[in-house]
Amino acid sequence: QKEVEQNSGPLSVPEGAIASLNCTYSDRGSQSFFWYRQYSGKSPELIMFIYSNGDKEDGRFTAQLNKASQYVSLLIRDSQPSDSATYLCALDSGGGADGLTFGKGTHLIIQP
Amino acid sequence: DGGITQSPKYLFRKEGQNVTLSCEQNLNHDAMYWYRQDPGQGLRLIYYSQIVNDFQKGDIAEGYSVSREKKESFPLTVTSAQKNPTAFYLCASSHQGYGQPQHFGDGTRLSIL
Repeated sequence: QKEVEQNSGPLSVPEGAIASLNCTYSDRGSQSFFWYRQYSGKSPELIMFIYSNGDKEDGRFTAQLNKASQYVSLLIRDSQPSDSATYLCALDSGGGADGLTFGKGTHLIIQP
Repeated sequence: DGGITQSPKYLFRKEGQNVTLSCEQNLNHDAMYWYRQDPGQGLRLIYYSQIVNDFQKGDIAEGYSVSREKKESFPLTVTSAQKNPTAFYLCASSHQGYGQPQHFGDGTRLSIL
């Protein structure tokens, strides 16, 4: 059984600071990892995906992956009130055949 | 614009009734998926399909059925056997192959009358 663990929060971060969201997973065979942003009442929106150990940057977002520690994180620099949402971590164990396994999400609040 | 269209946005089910949720995509994706989300919970996989006329059960398929007669369409039927159908239903699609990201429709919110 694949498991994805996230702190449910809320995680409160001042505007302009760095928000750090963390995710651990149980399946060592996991190969690809995704971060989705979900606003209240809306559907998830893909933010980042990462396949290799290390960092991947896209604008204000950086995804970090450490397969040895079974840990993936998302950093949001210069946090804005519009970043306030629930962030879902998801993983695909390879082939994509059986969909993604999602964590329950971390609720992020950016305080103006 | 390419995307995934789910309808209706809101749906109400009476006792003993089957209801069907529509999902259409024009992204030319081969793979399509149905997820269920309950308040404060992550998404759980109901059914998925990699190609036309083929589909597989996910983690919580009991009380649901699907069909995949066209590449663009993957409707989900919530049957009367699903005793707790109230949830947010999300359809997603992706290209086939290793590690392809999934993109979601806007969702259908189902409630019991």
